[in-house]
Order: sequence, then C-alpha cells, then structure tokens
Amino acid sequence: SQTIHQWPATLVQPVGSPLSLECTVEGTSNPNLYWYRQAAGRGLQLLFYSVGIGQISSEVPQNLSASRPQDRQFILSSKKLLLSDSGFYLCAWSRRNSPLHFGNGTRLTVT
Amino acid sequence: GENVEQHPSTLSVQEGDSAVIKCTYSDSASNYFPWYKQELGKGPQLIIDIRSNVGEKKDQRIAVTLNKTAKHFSLHITETQPEDSAVYFCAATPLREKLTFGTGTRLTIIP
Repeated sequence: SQTIHQWPATLVQPVGSPLSLECTVEGTSNPNLYWYRQAAGRGLQLLFYSVGIGQISSEVPQNLSASRPQDRQFILSSKKLLLSDSGFYLCAWSRRNSPLHFGNGTRLTVT
Repeated sequence: GENVEQHPSTLSVQEGDSAVIKCTYSDSASNYFPWYKQELGKGPQLIIDIRSNVGEKKDQRIAVTLNKTAKHFSLHITETQPEDSAVYFCAATPLREKLTFGTGTRLTIIP
C-alpha cells in the first residue's frame, strides 16, 4: 500500500532563517505531488504541484519554492522566512484517476 | 478558476442526529467532488467522493448529493457519533489533479 511521510511534524524558526520541509511517498511510482498550506478559516491553498522530476508549477507568488529531486521526493524551501509563512503545511500525492492523499502535515511557527 | 464556498463554518449536532454541510462551486466544467475529514493534528482524509455523472452516493452513514444545475453539493452524516467530530472540507475540480477546497466546517457532536 502507499504511504506518505512528511517531516518534521512541528518546527519553530526565527524570521530570516531558511526552511526545508521534506515529503516522500512510498508504494507508488511517478505520482503527482503537491504542497498545500492551511491557514485558519481559509481552507487549503495549493502552493506547488509537480507531475514529474524537476517539473514544478507554482500556484501563488510567495516567499517559498519547491523542488523534486527524485520521483517520490518533494521539498518545500525558503531562503529567508517571513512571519506570514507561519501555518500548517501539507504534502499530498495522487495518481491519474486516483484521489488525493495527504500527509500529516508540518506546523511551522515563524517567530 | 474554480471557486468553492462552504457552509456553515461551524456546526454543533446532538449525538444521533443528522448533520448536513453544503458547498457551491462556480466552474460548470467541474466534474469531481470529494469530501475530506480532518482530525486534530492530522492531514485531511478522503471520506467520500462523487463524479458529475452521479446524483447521489452513499457509504454507510455518509452520503453526498450533487445538483449540477444549481452547482451545489452536500455531505450528509446520519446517526452522528462522537468520532464524527472533526473539520470537513469539500472540494471541486474539472481536473482531478488540481482540487479547489472550501474553507472547512468544524463539526462538533454533543454527547
């Protein structure tokens, strides 16, 4: 069966520090991969999605970037965090004609 | 792009009663409508989904109805139990790869 791993579960970082969140998927190949951000009262906002290695689409302009160095690895990064980057970040995967599956998220607090 | 509105934002229901959450969407091309349940500290989990060629789908105590003419769909939970307490999200998309989510409904089941 397929599983998705996302870490760390919680992270507290100072303003201006770099960020790296990692997500890996097991049990499937060539998945579509996604990064979502969840803010209170605003639902789930799609930040990035990828249909293959090195292929990244950005949905909203922001202080973050994403990379997909391997087929089942998706990384969310920032060079300098802002206070407004605080939130709950969710990685997800899907395949053609299959539902979207989420990881358990990373709670990021920028102080 | 697609826009999904979800109501109510909070809902309290006596245990054993029914709960209904409603969503409207804007893109008439949308043809896939999933519902997700998110428990505290976890990622959203798919609980039921429906395609546009079906008007209703049921899975035990959970059902989803779709009215394509009016562009709205609803989640119905019958015989509610304490473990149904969670945040529920609806979503819609013309392409399964890019879901647009509603802002969520916090459902509380009162024992």
